Amino acid sequence: DQQVKQNSPSLSVQEGRISILNCDYTNSMFDYFLWYKKYPAEGPTFLISISSIKDKNEDGRFTVFLNKSAKHLSLHIVPSQPGDSAVYFCAASAQQGGSEKLVFGKGTKLTVNP
Amino acid sequence: ETGVTQSPTHLIKTRGQQVTLRCSSQSGHNTVSWYQQALGQGPQFIFQYYREEENGRGNFPPRFSGLQFPNYSSELNVNALELDDSALYLCASSLWASETQYFGPGTRLLVL
Repeated sequence: DQQVKQNSPSLSVQEGRISILNCDYTNSMFDYFLWYKKYPAEGPTFLISISSIKDKNEDGRFTVFLNKSAKHLSLHIVPSQPGDSAVYFCAASAQQGGSEKLVFGKGTKLTVNP
Repeated sequence: ETGVTQSPTHLIKTRGQQVTLRCSSQSGHNTVSWYQQALGQGPQFIFQYYREEENGRGNFPPRFSGLQFPNYSSELNVNALELDDSALYLCASSLWASETQYFGPGTRLLVL
């Protein structure tokens, strides 16, 4: 039973345009959400996070939106750059439930074309 | 500030053998978590160590065990290796158990 789902295995966008990566979750106990970026042969790199008490968090070109009623979050990258090409993982945790483990989706491979 | 480091980078073992993977946490971090990433999947939580004590465990059998040392570095031990144990093993450290986790580059294990 996959609690965090990234239904798009891949996404291709043009440089300068917006990239939107989506993530759905099923466990209502999740209260903290993160996005990681992973290049080949490297570990995941933390990008941005959001707590369930917020619906939006921005950091430079990256914005994460959280819709708790729909159990959906998205990562917007504006403008997209070729260096953003990587696999993006959505992760969730239930911190207030006492569990700090991260539950990951399967990832979305983003390709930004010059 | 030194990031999370892992050793070795690659490892080949045969079925039934035992393996030990090592992780040095980021400076100042007292919590280490271990994840297994199979090909085409997201990382799966194995367990977490906080101040040398196990602080949560995922759905992995007891042949997966760990340690955390007083300097907060950590080891992951896997006994009786199976072919399905072939994966990328990731270590992540955090300032506290509930804080953002920062990952190392991983150890790629191949079991033949």
